Amino acid sequence: GNSVTQMEGPVTLSEEAFLTINCTYTATGYPSLFWYVQYPGEGLQLLLKATKADDKGSNKGFEATYRKETTSFHLEKGSVQVSDSAVYFCALGSSNTGKLIFGQGTTLQVKP
Amino acid sequence: GAGVSQSPSNKVTEKGKDVELRCDPISGHTALYWYRQSLGQGLEFLIYFQGNSAPDKSGLPSDRFSAERTGGSVSTLTIQRTQQEDSAVYLCASSDGGIRGTGELFFGEGSRLTVL
Repeated sequence: GNSVTQMEGPVTLSEEAFLTINCTYTATGYPSLFWYVQYPGEGLQLLLKATKADDKGSNKGFEATYRKETTSFHLEKGSVQVSDSAVYFCALGSSNTGKLIFGQGTTLQVKP
Repeated sequence: GAGVSQSPSNKVTEKGKDVELRCDPISGHTALYWYRQSLGQGLEFLIYFQGNSAPDKSGLPSDRFSAERTGGSVSTLTIQRTQQEDSAVYLCASSDGGIRGTGELFFGEGSRLTVL
């Protein structure tokens, strides 16, 4: 079945450092891929998405490219801020089933 | 309200009791999802409703869990004979068409269930 695997956290970075959070997936067909973010004390919210191979999703300085050849959707940001501290979830959506499957989440802590 | 509303926000119950968790989705959203978030775990899919179609119950962990969605709007997740391993945050999300629509899910703040 479909599944999503994220790198384990927590990830601790200094402000202005480069961020990569790895995400790989297993799926049949042509899924859509998402990154959701959960800030402290808040609900999950969509950060970015990509619906087909080679698409790049971007938002708030974050980017992720849908790589079908490596079945990956790694999240990157060139210069993180303290306000980026949150839990990040990679997710896979199947248009066949309508389901959205999440990875286990990666906690990011950015220190000033 | 404009967002997804869940109640209660916190529920403490004794092992063996039944609990009901409620979700009010965003008005007009046809898709509604329930997930469970346990400490140190990711989001575990439980059940998915889309319009008038039969729900996808493939994620429900046991027959003690059930959910319904009345009138295509409010949903209730029921856990019978609760066990300590049921302790978790139960998240509800709604979407305009789900993955086949906009693809964006809007989440509530969750109901934290503690089974003593």
